[in-house]
Amino acid sequence: EIVLTQSPGTLSLSPGERATLSCRASQSVSSSYLAWYQQKPGQAPRLLIYGASSRATGIPDRFSGSGSGTDFTLTISRLEPEDFAVYYCQQYGSSPPKVTFGQGTRLEIK
Amino acid sequence: EVQLVESGGVVVQPGGSLRLSCAASGFTFDDYAMHWVRQAPGKGLEWVSLISWDGGSTYYADSVKGRFTISRDNSKNSLYLQMNSLRAEDTALYYCAKDPTPYYDSGRGYYFDYWGQGTLVTVSS
Repeated sequence: EIVLTQSPGTLSLSPGERATLSCRASQSVSSSYLAWYQQKPGQAPRLLIYGASSRATGIPDRFSGSGSGTDFTLTISRLEPEDFAVYYCQQYGSSPPKVTFGQGTRLEIK
Repeated sequence: EVQLVESGGVVVQPGGSLRLSCAASGFTFDDYAMHWVRQAPGKGLEWVSLISWDGGSTYYADSVKGRFTISRDNSKNSLYLQMNSLRAEDTALYYCAKDPTPYYDSGRGYYFDYWGQGTLVTVSS
């Protein structure tokens, strides 16, 4: 099973700043099959990024994903107040399917 | 508009059984694989199970294999999760989630483009 480790656990930033969230896999993620989700309190997760770098429908371009192999990054170029939430990475490259999530990064207002 | 509405979550005793349902609308249900994902209170996300568009293939997390059964009824646009031999550690909000890739597309799915609001399962005596 591929284990995903996200860092930092909590990130404290101010609106307007740049956020960089990391997701490291215990083994290479096949074909960059990695997704990122945003979850706000009391809400279901929302898909942000799939295929490591493709933005989902309706996601603002301040969100970008990058990386390959075992190291992936979600970048939010300029934080808006609504971006403060928990972010999860997820890999879907295993065969047979064995989806795993990272433990999450909490992005909080400084 | 895609809608996924879960139901069936209750308080159940350890060792008990429960069946969750998910009613889907706003898309061609029988074109897509579907998933169950859970989240224990205050914890992260855990994938539970996947069923192919036609129900012919199913996959499970090791933590639920042999105890949970995923199924679907395409005539009713519905997804189900039969949960047996429930344990305290199964306590969670259970989400129904849609796979983004239709069966006729060669692209890779197994991530989640739409989620329901979840149904809460509490296993406690």
